[in-house]
Amino acid sequence: DQQVKQNSPSLSVQEGRISILNCDYTNSMFDYFLWYKKYPAEGPTFLISISSIKDKNEDGRFTVFLNKSAKHLSLHIVPSQPGDSAVYFCAASAEGAQKLVFGQGTRLTINP
Amino acid sequence: KAGVTQTPRYLIKTRGQQVTLSCSPISGHRSVSWYQQTPGQGLQFLFEYFSETQRNKGNFPGRFSGRQFSNSRSEMNVSTLELGDSALYLCASSLAGIPNEKLFFGSGTQLSVL
Repeated sequence: DQQVKQNSPSLSVQEGRISILNCDYTNSMFDYFLWYKKYPAEGPTFLISISSIKDKNEDGRFTVFLNKSAKHLSLHIVPSQPGDSAVYFCAASAEGAQKLVFGQGTRLTINP
Repeated sequence: KAGVTQTPRYLIKTRGQQVTLSCSPISGHRSVSWYQQTPGQGLQFLFEYFSETQRNKGNFPGRFSGRQFSNSRSEMNVSTLELGDSALYLCASSLAGIPNEKLFFGSGTQLSVL
């Protein structure tokens, strides 16, 4: 039972354009959401997070949007840069649960 | 400050063998979590340790076990290896292991079971 789903295994975007990565979840108990970025041969690194009491959080070129009624979140990267090429994982946690539930990941490729 | 260190980076084993993976967390971090990454499945939570106690466990068979030492270093053991155990095993540490706390991941151990 995949509680966090990233339905796009891959995404290709031109440099300078906006990249939009999507994530859906099924567990209504999730109250905190995170995005991690992973380069080959490295561990995932934290990118940005959002609490369920908010619907948007911004950090530089990265913005995460949360739509609780749709159980959907998205990560916007603008403008996209070649260094953004990586696998992006969304993750969720529920209060009291000391574990993260991850999606399958989306491989983002930024083309020059 | 040194990051999370996992050893070894690569392992090749045959079916039926057992394997032990090691993780040294960031200094001062007391929570260590383990995740399994396979293509198409993302990261699957294995277990989490805090102060030498397992606090949470994922849906993996009993062949997967772990422990944490007094210096917060952790080991993960997989017995009677199966082909499906081939994966990247990631260790992550955090200060206290509370849900909203940022996890810091190591580079992982790539296990291949032949």
